[in-house]
Amino acid sequence: DAKTTQPNSMESNEEEPVHLPCNHSTISGTDYIHWYRQLPSQGPEYVIHGLTSNVNNRMASLAIAEDRKSSTLILHRATLRDAAVYYCILRAPGTYKYIFGTGTRLKVLA
Amino acid sequence: NAGVTQTPKFQVLKTGQSMTLQCAQDMNHEYMSWYRQDPGMGLRLIHYSVGAGITDQGEVPNGYNVSRSTTEDFPLRLLSAAPSQTSVYFCASRGTALNPAEKLFFGSGTQLSVL
Repeated sequence: DAKTTQPNSMESNEEEPVHLPCNHSTISGTDYIHWYRQLPSQGPEYVIHGLTSNVNNRMASLAIAEDRKSSTLILHRATLRDAAVYYCILRAPGTYKYIFGTGTRLKVLA
Repeated sequence: NAGVTQTPKFQVLKTGQSMTLQCAQDMNHEYMSWYRQDPGMGLRLIHYSVGAGITDQGEVPNGYNVSRSTTEDFPLRLLSAAPSQTSVYFCASRGTALNPAEKLFFGSGTQLSVL
């Protein structure tokens, strides 16, 4: 399974945008990039996924580098409820496993 | 729609005891999996199943057994609990096994302590 690298922690002020980076330099051409987040004392929840082009949904945006070796999860206006651990995961066709790393712990300051 | 349901939410065992963590989903999902999460750590895959009657090992399968007799249920068995198995256990499912665009749905977890 291809690996991802994320910073251990980040801080943001409330109401400001947050850019969470993920490095996946060994990504293959058919790997999907998925983001999940885990709020305190809860199971992870899906945030967004993409393959090549940038993606938007009601929770966040996903910006994928042209060479696909990195991606950035963008929370447009961070709220206190966005404080969580964010995981970047690669999903390859033909594989059954989601392998989670240690993720980025996002702290949002009021 | 209940989604993924895990029981119990909390459990305390003594070393050497056995127990089964239950996981059920009502979404007719093909794929189900079990993860454990130790304090301050990410999730590690224990076992997974791509359909009824089919299971396989994940990253950390030792000490755990699984079976998948129905589409809905995927129980995780600890045959002889050890303190190293103290962790939070999450069950997750998704619709199809191979589609790389499908998202995972997680249960709320079972906090297990082994004394």
